[in-house]
Amino acid sequence: GAGVSQTPSNKVTEKGKYVELRCDPISGHTALYWYRQSLGQGPEFLIYFQGTGAADDSGLPNDRFFAVRPEGSVSTLKIQRTERGDSAVYLCASSPLITDTQYFGPGTRLTVL
Amino acid sequence: AQSVAQPEDQVNVAEGNPLTVKCTYSVSGNPYLFWYVQYPNRGLQFLLKYITGDNLVKGSYGFEAEFNKSQTSFHLKKPSALVSDSALYFCAVSDRGSTLGRLYFGRGTQLTVWP
Repeated sequence: GAGVSQTPSNKVTEKGKYVELRCDPISGHTALYWYRQSLGQGPEFLIYFQGTGAADDSGLPNDRFFAVRPEGSVSTLKIQRTERGDSAVYLCASSPLITDTQYFGPGTRLTVL
Repeated sequence: AQSVAQPEDQVNVAEGNPLTVKCTYSVSGNPYLFWYVQYPNRGLQFLLKYITGDNLVKGSYGFEAEFNKSQTSFHLKKPSALVSDSALYFCAVSDRGSTLGRLYFGRGTQLTVWP
């Protein structure tokens, strides 16, 4: 079946701009997660959703980062006033329940010039 | 605080030889433990997990891992390495408490299998 998909695969933007990254989870998965992977590092947790609500957003680095999942399926990660330090691969994952295995998408590589 | 250590940035083995990729963890309470593999320009692929029960866990592609509670380790092993196993391997841990759902990852170990 279809896995987790993320769009765009690559995004180049200029410092100060606004970006949106989209994640389509595996159908039927109630839990959705966002992670950020910087070069040479393991993924770092940002936020996860149970259904439509953010169950844990304590990993978001500051208030420039925001994520939504309005209908309990697709999620959008929004970054305002991007900074060069935001450059990373943003990974999305989903699982049937939060105690289950997380399945990851291919990621969106964000480059802030 | 929860954390994962992968003490080796790189592991090199010859094809056909056994391989081990090391992982130690720190978590409050009993952990969930995972191994993922990442190929270039690809997302993370799930290999195996420990939840409870038998300390030896078998996963995809002939990999296995042993949970050792006293040593807080979860080393990944394979009896006979293949060149196609060359990739970046991540160990991850989740606790069963207040941060359930969050995975904490190690920095990764680059495995190279020489023909």
